[in-house]
Amino acid sequence: DAGVIQSPRHEVTEMGQEVTLRCKPISGHNSLFWYRQTMMRGLELLIYFNNNVPIDDSGMPEDRFSAKMPNASFSTLKIQPSEPRDSAVYFCASSLGWGGRADYNEQFFGPGTRLTVL
Amino acid sequence: KQEVTQIPAALSVPEGENLVLNCSFTDSAIYNLQWFRQDPGKGLTSLLLIQSSQREQTSGRLNASLDKSSGRSTLYIAASQPGDSATYLCAVRGIQGAQKLVFGQGTRLTINP
Repeated sequence: DAGVIQSPRHEVTEMGQEVTLRCKPISGHNSLFWYRQTMMRGLELLIYFNNNVPIDDSGMPEDRFSAKMPNASFSTLKIQPSEPRDSAVYFCASSLGWGGRADYNEQFFGPGTRLTVL
Repeated sequence: KQEVTQIPAALSVPEGENLVLNCSFTDSAIYNLQWFRQDPGKGLTSLLLIQSSQREQTSGRLNASLDKSSGRSTLYIAASQPGDSATYLCAVRGIQGAQKLVFGQGTRLTINP
């Protein structure tokens, strides 16, 4: 299995531009998570989906951020308009699902997208 | 609100030493705790997942212990090697919202040859 795939790996953009980050979860995984990592705040959960449905978006910083999961094999995180404070590494992770078994909620992370907003 | 703390923030030891990384959490109502490794510029790799009902888990040279009542976990690395150099993060899942991981800031470990 290729693991969680994220694209692009690096993105440099100018303030005000729209940014779209992409994620392909591990095949067969039913839960998908978007995280942001910064030096100041560490790793923070932004939003997660179960069976393509958003369950908790309380970590999304503001309305400029939106996430979609149109099908089981693809998700996007969009920032519009982008700001310099959005510069961070964005990780996508997936898990089998949820429930009592430990292996169901063990999360597997992608390599991340390093976003720089100038 | 759950808070996870890892001390020290950085640790440097000579090759071959046994070492312990610490993780503490403020709310003992957890579902499980997971230790990750992160190499520079890379994603996170899951090392060990320990359920709230367990006291410890082992994988090769790694051993994770959990004392839920005191809000602490340790990651023990035996016979450290330069390849163990990385940042180690612990994360907890609360009973409420059991899919959500709350991460510590990590311990940056350097093993000197």
